[in-house]
Amino acid sequence: QKEVEQNSGPLSVPEGAIASLNCTYSDRGSQSFFWYRQYSGKSPELIMSIYSNGDKEDGRFTAQLNKASQYVSLLIRDSQPSDSATYLCAVTRYGQNFVFGPGTRLSVLP
Amino acid sequence: DAGVIQSPRHEVTEMGQEVTLRCKPISGHDYLFWYRQTMMRGLELLIYFNNNVPIDDSGMPEDRFSAKMPNASFSTLKIQPSEPRDSAVYFCASSRDRATNEKLFFGSGTQLSVL
Repeated sequence: QKEVEQNSGPLSVPEGAIASLNCTYSDRGSQSFFWYRQYSGKSPELIMSIYSNGDKEDGRFTAQLNKASQYVSLLIRDSQPSDSATYLCAVTRYGQNFVFGPGTRLSVLP
Repeated sequence: DAGVIQSPRHEVTEMGQEVTLRCKPISGHDYLFWYRQTMMRGLELLIYFNNNVPIDDSGMPEDRFSAKMPNASFSTLKIQPSEPRDSAVYFCASSRDRATNEKLFFGSGTQLSVL
């Protein structure tokens, strides 16, 4: 059974702090990993993708991948109230469909 | 690019009625996906098409659900007859191909309420 797991939250952090979102997956053959942000009542929006072990930074966002541990994370530095949303982890491999995690709800407190 | 376009944004209907959801993928995208999202089950893949051909419909909950893609720029998801448990947000998404680095782009979704 291919699964992607995330803590459902809510994860509450104060404004300006680092928010750390975690995701584990069961399919060792997974090759691509994505983080989607979904505001309440809106559609998922891609914010980060990562394909190889290590860190990938984009502005205030850093994605971290450890394939040996089957673990991917998203760090949000200098968290803002506008970052409050549900963050969905998605995993796939060539020719396979995306498998989405249940999402972690993040609340950034002003 | 206008992105993935879905209609209607909201649909309220009574149990037993037929519901048709519509989707226009991004031009040039060969893959189209229909997802359903609920609090209990999260984001579930219902069916996907490649070059207008249904490839995997194993996620379609039952025979009341059907989907078509008559051409590269239009797809429908139909529920007949609808039931209250079908109430959810239905998303259409498209991607260019199935390469590992190819991203999904979602439409704005249809909020379906079956009374």
